[in-house]
Amino acid sequence: SQQGEEDPQALSIQEGENATMNCSYKTSINNLQWYRQNSGRGLVHLILIRSNEREKHSGRLRVTLDTSKKSSSLLITASRAADTASYFCATGGDSSYKLIFGSGTRLLVRP
Amino acid sequence: DTGVSQDPRHKITKRGQNVTFRCDPISEHNRLYWYRQTLGQGPEFLTYFQNEAQLEKSRLLSDRFSAERPKGSFSTLEIQRTEQGDSAMYLCASSFSTAPYGELFFGEGSRLTVL
Repeated sequence: SQQGEEDPQALSIQEGENATMNCSYKTSINNLQWYRQNSGRGLVHLILIRSNEREKHSGRLRVTLDTSKKSSSLLITASRAADTASYFCATGGDSSYKLIFGSGTRLLVRP
Repeated sequence: DTGVSQDPRHKITKRGQNVTFRCDPISEHNRLYWYRQTLGQGPEFLTYFQNEAQLEKSRLLSDRFSAERPKGSFSTLEIQRTEQGDSAMYLCASSFSTAPYGELFFGEGSRLTVL
């Protein structure tokens, strides 16, 4: 089963625009991570935000976390065609060390 | 290349056959994970190891599935008597345990097609 649900399921934007993806989860967490996956490839870690953090930046990425609403958002600024991929949130923090992934947002950046 | 490697990358088999996938994690990582991903979905957790010990198995891992990690290095995932529903991408990931909830490093996956 999957803990997180991303919204929207698919997003199509023009190069240069910002892309915002949302993730909601169900149980308490220690941290929330975002991963990227190009078609047919493995996942690549983008950013991790801990439960006591509210916002984090990495390059063109900005992640927010609202533990009261059990939600997170990933903002990609000034998108590029190369950002076209699927983006997944993943939560960790129960008694084991596994990550539970959401169903993903498929982002298409049109040149 | 010092990343996570998986072999084979693609496997086509007939229903009822056994298949085995191998994962070589990043050498200093002592945690190793297996996930399964079907088209359009996120990865689903199957099992994970800390060193050679298999610490957790998902209910998704039926008795036809077995995973091993002898000597805490590479791991194998075997599927016996494959069914068409087993068709998926099998992803391996590794991490370093002093980062308790740190990032996972994924391999490129092994895609299984059961005819």
